[in-house]
Amino acid sequence: AQSVSQHNHHVILSEAASLELGCNYSYGGTVNLFWYVQYPGQHLQLLLKYFSGDPLVKGIKGFEAEFIKSKFSFNLRKPSVQWSDTAEYFCAVNARGYGGSQGNLIFGKGTKLSVKP
Amino acid sequence: DAGVTQSPTHLIKTRGQQVTLRCSPKSGHDTVSWYQQALGQGPQFIFQYYEEEERQRGNFPDRFSGHQFPNYSSELNVNALWLGDSALYLCASSPDQGVRPLWGYTFGSGTRLTVV
Repeated sequence: AQSVSQHNHHVILSEAASLELGCNYSYGGTVNLFWYVQYPGQHLQLLLKYFSGDPLVKGIKGFEAEFIKSKFSFNLRKPSVQWSDTAEYFCAVNARGYGGSQGNLIFGKGTKLSVKP
Repeated sequence: DAGVTQSPTHLIKTRGQQVTLRCSPKSGHDTVSWYQQALGQGPQFIFQYYEEEERQRGNFPDRFSGHQFPNYSSELNVNALWLGDSALYLCASSPDQGVRPLWGYTFGSGTRLTVV
């Protein structure tokens, strides 16, 4: 069965520190990869997505992620975090061709990021 | 504004009762999926509706059922509630992608269900 692992449960950083959140998935076929963010009291919002092509994808709010196929990883990065980045971050995978292209998203358990001002 | 509207926002039910949650998808979206997010966990896929039919289902018992209406809105029904059904229930919508890659869903803010 497909699964998604997020290595860190809670990350605490000071403003201006660099961020890297790990995400690994288990599926041997073609995948679509996503990072979602959930700010306190708000709905899940799409940060960025990868389908094909350049493995380094840029998203909103200065976030980027790198797809490394050989490592089954899709880590999220930001060079300098802000207090407003405090939120929970979820990595998700959709396996292409799994029940058509409309397959469900499989989420990791999430990483809570706390940024100290 | 999420674009996806869910109601109610909070709900308290007693074990054994039945509950109906509602979702209006984002304008232009015709596919609706439901997810359950337990405390401290990521969302788990329950099922997806397209053209008023259940197109795909996750690993949830038959107590979980749904419906999609001609206007694309959807309901999630849970019968014989257990304490373990307490969770945030998320609705997500998308346009039908056909054979193209999934572009991602738009999520609603969820309904917080507490079973006591």
